[in-house]
Amino acid sequence: GEDVEQSLFLSVREGDSSVINCTYTDSSSTYLYWYKQEPGAGLQLLTYIFSNMDMKQDQRLTVLLNKKDKHLSLRIADTQTGDSAIYFCAERFYNQGGKLIFGQGTELSVKP
Amino acid sequence: GAVVSQHPSWVICKSGTSVKIECRSLDFQATTMFWYRQFPKQSLMLMATSNEGSKATYEQGVEKDKFLINHASLTLSTLTVTSAHPEDSSFYICSARDSSPSSYNEQFFGPGTRLTVL
Repeated sequence: GEDVEQSLFLSVREGDSSVINCTYTDSSSTYLYWYKQEPGAGLQLLTYIFSNMDMKQDQRLTVLLNKKDKHLSLRIADTQTGDSAIYFCAERFYNQGGKLIFGQGTELSVKP
Repeated sequence: GAVVSQHPSWVICKSGTSVKIECRSLDFQATTMFWYRQFPKQSLMLMATSNEGSKATYEQGVEKDKFLINHASLTLSTLTVTSAHPEDSSFYICSARDSSPSSYNEQFFGPGTRLTVL
């Protein structure tokens, strides 16, 4: 089946690390993505990980993938107020034209 | 590079009228484009997959006669909401998949179109 789950809210203090979690159900996905959406705007691709990788680091962002548990996480180090936004994880299905299935989105609130 | 535009960015229309939304890949070719719908504080729901030169593939529950999709060129797909009603008010987002071999078929998202039906 096609189902991606995220917790809805996360609140952190500026300078702390944020960890946003995501679970998915379909093991045939090839890539898993993290997108950021600011109010009234489209989606900005933050990072992605190929399904045969465990970890990917890109500056302040670290993606961890546990394929056995179908669990994906995004860690933002030294979170800033500008990181406040909604974060979506998405999985891509190779055999279905590459369509993306999105989670519900996690609203990250960063307090000064 | 890899810019996708949508036009208009917002539109207000009367109930019963039709509205056309354009999605363009500005600097790459896209044989496949995707149309999503997003309600406030909710996730993106895939409506349909648009393939250049052929019919679109609609997700279950999406009325193809209500949401007409045309993908006539490698850089343009249009979504027409026919006989729009207030419940069609939403944020519509398109994405375009880069067809070039070096792109890993990445999808790039447009900025979205806010439709309000009065």
